[in-house]
Amino acid sequence: DGGITQSPKYLFRKEGQNVTLSCEQNLNHDAMYWYRQDPGQGLRLIYYSQIVNDFQKGDIAEGYSVSREKKESFPLTVTSAQKNPTAFYLCASSARQGRYEQYFGPGTRLTVT
Amino acid sequence: GQQLNQSPQSMFIQEGEDVSMNCTSSSIFNTWLWYKQEPGEGPVLLIALYKAGELTSNGRLTAQFGITRKDSFLNISASIPSDVGIYFCAGPLLTSGSARQLTFGSGTQLTVLP
Repeated sequence: DGGITQSPKYLFRKEGQNVTLSCEQNLNHDAMYWYRQDPGQGLRLIYYSQIVNDFQKGDIAEGYSVSREKKESFPLTVTSAQKNPTAFYLCASSARQGRYEQYFGPGTRLTVT
Repeated sequence: GQQLNQSPQSMFIQEGEDVSMNCTSSSIFNTWLWYKQEPGEGPVLLIALYKAGELTSNGRLTAQFGITRKDSFLNISASIPSDVGIYFCAGPLLTSGSARQLTFGSGTQLTVLP
């Protein structure tokens, strides 16, 4: 079955540590996205990538970094510079042309104490 | 900007009732997407609309692309407990060009009471 996987489902870190969230897709999509969701809030775009080796900042990129070395993978690193990293992180992918539908992974809940 | 205003913010309904929610904008959209998010999970695409006036169904769900292209509606008939979740509308940001970014509404939290 094609889809998007995110791991782990739950992640706990101490303040000051960098942490990397995994996102893999086998939908053959060119575009991938990272969103942050806080309790009771909508989705805010962190970074997106339209093609391998290229990515762009979204609305709230400060304190985050990404890489896109393979079409299937788009890992997100939450750095110690992110002031309030505890949140639910969602990865999505879409085709680069044609329709706009984005398909989401199951999410990773990050807790930093 | 191309903000999406979603209402109501939350709904409490009895099992078996019909539900209606909507999404409006001051800007024109050429696509409307409706997602459902269950607690602790990622959003799942329910319905995609691509043409003004279009009415599309997915089981008990029906969504419409408003004629003005500035709004969309989602209806759920005969609600059941598993309909519980947050429903989001979304549309492409025209200013994003080829970047294909979506803007999302703030969501409608649906609670179904037995």
